[in-house]
Amino acid sequence: ETGVTQSPTHLIKTRGQQVTLRCSSQSGHNTVSWYQQALGQGPQFIFQYYREEENGRGNFPPRFSGLQFPNYSSELNVNALELDDSALYLCASSRDNSPLHFGNGTRLTVT
Amino acid sequence: AQSVTQPDIHITVSEGASLELRCNYSYGATPYLFWYVQSPGQGLQLLLKYFSGDTLVQGIKGFEAEFKRSQSSFNLRKPSVHWSDAAEYFCAVGTLTSGTYKYIFGTGTRLKVLA
Repeated sequence: ETGVTQSPTHLIKTRGQQVTLRCSSQSGHNTVSWYQQALGQGPQFIFQYYREEENGRGNFPPRFSGLQFPNYSSELNVNALELDDSALYLCASSRDNSPLHFGNGTRLTVT
Repeated sequence: AQSVTQPDIHITVSEGASLELRCNYSYGATPYLFWYVQSPGQGLQLLLKYFSGDTLVQGIKGFEAEFKRSQSSFNLRKPSVHWSDAAEYFCAVGTLTSGTYKYIFGTGTRLKVLA
């Protein structure tokens, strides 16, 4: 059984740039969620995708957007990067309401 | 509003000692409750979950947790800590709102184990 994989593992961007983070869901999972974990904090819900549609969003601005593909892989896009966007971005997959399975995350640093 | 509180930011225990990590939640309905562990530079690994039924749940790595509705708590316990348990532990409540199932996490408890 393949777990959740994320790429890249680390990324450094400049303020104002755009970034795309990628996630491959665990085999058999049809739902993907993205979380932002700032240093010293717990993960915060960004949004969730099911059947290629966004079906829930946390308190994040529209410059955070995503996609889910037919193979259930997903992307998180962030436009106009700000310094406060520096964080660990975690992708999690699940099937229906089963517990979330998390990837190891992408560490984004905005300078 | 839904929330999860982990009152202890840091806990230090000696190897072989018992451990209890506290978690309190605020949620109107019957909660789905989880404990996850995060090692440095890693993602979150599920330790155990509570959905319904027996209020004492067993997890991996010798961990257990007890759901107490009257206290809105879901504390994590281990009878004898190993050095490899040093990590950050997160309690979470799963909420279902308008068809969206999302987790609300606490701020975590960092566990240090003394040899």
